[in-house]
Amino acid sequence: TQLLEQSPQFLSIQEGENLTVYCNSSSVFSSLQWYRQEPGEGPVLLVTVVTGGEVKKLKRLTFQFGDARKDSSLHITAAQPGDTGLYLCAGAIPGGTSYGKLTFGQGTILTVHP
Amino acid sequence: EAQVTQNPRYLITVTGKKLTVTCSQNMNHEYMSWYRQDPGLGLRQIYYSMNVEVTDKGDVPEGYKVSRKEKRNFPLILESPSPNQTSLYFCASSWTSGGGNEQFFGPGTRLTVL
Repeated sequence: TQLLEQSPQFLSIQEGENLTVYCNSSSVFSSLQWYRQEPGEGPVLLVTVVTGGEVKKLKRLTFQFGDARKDSSLHITAAQPGDTGLYLCAGAIPGGTSYGKLTFGQGTILTVHP
Repeated sequence: EAQVTQNPRYLITVTGKKLTVTCSQNMNHEYMSWYRQDPGLGLRQIYYSMNVEVTDKGDVPEGYKVSRKEKRNFPLILESPSPNQTSLYFCASSWTSGGGNEQFFGPGTRLTVL
């Protein structure tokens, strides 16, 4: 089983602060996805990164895929209370009979206080 | 509206009483999967299906069964539920494509086994 270590597990910050969530593995993934989940709902995709070294921006969120495609980070600038939620990274296993299978990190619970 | 539906949303049952959680998607997706979500463990894949009549074990398949007789449906069966299967369950579907496929999640089924 390929493992994704996500850190930190909990993050409690004030509105306006910046934060970074990390997702690390010893395995190579063909792509890495970030999802956000709100209470009582299923996760919703934020972004997919595919190429090593790739950086994607989604408003105040910046996603980066490591050069070796083993790690990723999510950086939020000037966090807002609306950013509160559970953030999950998920790596896609490359090739073979497990193609398309996703391995999820443990998740980061982010709370942004007004 | 494109969606993944699950039923029931909430279920309380007793040890050993067989149950089925249904999952249906209306996006003509080939790939479907079941996950369970437990605090601190993120999402763990139970079973997945690449297409009709093609299923395979995920990371935690013990105690579960699935079937994929139609493209749109992927029920999860617990033949003899036990308390350690108390969890939040998500069904997901996606296109099969290269570069990582976005998982569309259902709203979740909260199962309690007494």
